[in-house]
Amino acid sequence: RKEVEQDPGPFNVPEGATVAFNCTYSNSASQSFFWYRQDCRKEPKLLMSVYSSGNEDGRFTAQLNRASQYISLLIRDSKLSDSATYLCVVNRPGAGSYQLTFGKGTKLSVIP
Amino acid sequence: NAGVTQTPKFQVLKTGQSMTLQCAQDMNHEYMSWYRQDPGMGLRLIHYSVGAGITDQGEVPNGYNVSRSTTEDFPLRLLSAAPSQTSVYFCASSYSSPGSYYNEQFFGPGTRLTVL
Repeated sequence: RKEVEQDPGPFNVPEGATVAFNCTYSNSASQSFFWYRQDCRKEPKLLMSVYSSGNEDGRFTAQLNRASQYISLLIRDSKLSDSATYLCVVNRPGAGSYQLTFGKGTKLSVIP
Repeated sequence: NAGVTQTPKFQVLKTGQSMTLQCAQDMNHEYMSWYRQDPGMGLRLIHYSVGAGITDQGEVPNGYNVSRSTTEDFPLRLLSAAPSQTSVYFCASSYSSPGSYYNEQFFGPGTRLTVL
């Protein structure tokens, strides 16, 4: 099993749609979880951290299921500006949040 | 604040040449790292540093050297470039908060390297 696995997509959705991304990780000892966003030919930027209790930031909701080693990201009311690649990121156990393992990313295209 | 800066933005090398990719941050972050990103692959950690004078290897360190003489700078050296090192290189930095597992990493804009 790869360390961090994501559906590569692409996901093509109309404006206003709800879209969900899933991610699985292999090391049960991982302690920190993130979603980063990467626009085409740009650097990754933190979208949101994912906490055990789940968390929400506006139209974005992240969930963590430690038992299943599964992370999700839900985007409601999609905007054209949400078009990007979404990276699931997990820390290497024992390394704080310094050493991160990145998934390959899920590409989202929001269509007018 | 400029954040994390990287130079050059683009570089073409011939096989066997050496070069240094520069990275600097003005946020007084203790932790800095280098990643490479290849098509169809996630970002992979090359080397990292938890403070001036301290560096360690990441997942794919072969063919690269680093040093950290100041908090601000973390250059990456390619010793003898190979076509397999064609990639986009990102430098990142973050705070080092003891006991925290949720320190945001800030990335530079990247260096696109082609080795012929």
